[in-house]
Amino acid sequence: DGGITQSPKYLFRKEGQNVTLSCEQNLNHDAMYWYRQDPGQGLRLIYYSQIVNDFQKGDIAEGYSVSREKKESFPLTVTSAQKNPTAFYLCASSITGVSYEQYFGPGTRLTVT
Amino acid sequence: AQKVTQAQTEISVVEKEDVTLDCVYETRDTTYYLFWYKQPPSGELVFLIRRNSFDEQNEISGRYSWNFQKSTSSFNFTITASQVVDSAVYFCALRGDNAGNMLTFGGGTRLMVKP
Repeated sequence: DGGITQSPKYLFRKEGQNVTLSCEQNLNHDAMYWYRQDPGQGLRLIYYSQIVNDFQKGDIAEGYSVSREKKESFPLTVTSAQKNPTAFYLCASSITGVSYEQYFGPGTRLTVT
Repeated sequence: AQKVTQAQTEISVVEKEDVTLDCVYETRDTTYYLFWYKQPPSGELVFLIRRNSFDEQNEISGRYSWNFQKSTSSFNFTITASQVVDSAVYFCALRGDNAGNMLTFGGGTRLMVKP
């Protein structure tokens, strides 16, 4: 089955620790994205990548970092510099091009205490 | 800049009622694409429809229909004969031709369908 996997579903960390969220897709999509969703709000773009070894900042990139070493994988690191890291994180992928829809993974709910 | 407004934050209906979710957008691009996504309680966003700016035909898919009106910058979504399984948060999104890969989401409308 083609799709996007994110693991784990729930993640708990202590304040001051970096944490990496995984995102893997087998849809053969070139473009991948990371979004953050806070309770009762829409999605905000953190980072996106249109091709391997290249990525761009979205609207709220501060305190986050990404890598794109393989087409299938786009891990997101939430660093200790992120002031409010507790949120629901969604990964998506799409065919490159503005007309194409994005397909989403199941999300990771990160709680930092 | 792009903007999507979903003024209805929460709607509650009884099963079998029809319900319309509003979406108003702003963009300076002449070519753009509009999307609707469904987010059930599990959290994953499910793609429902894509509509481009030069195709104003309304679309129907089963109990779902979409009304796109460029004159009012709206792309409304109607569910006919709602069912409990329709309960979810629905997001409208916009991507302009000059926005690169930036997809702008509205704040979402939470739909609760009661039996």
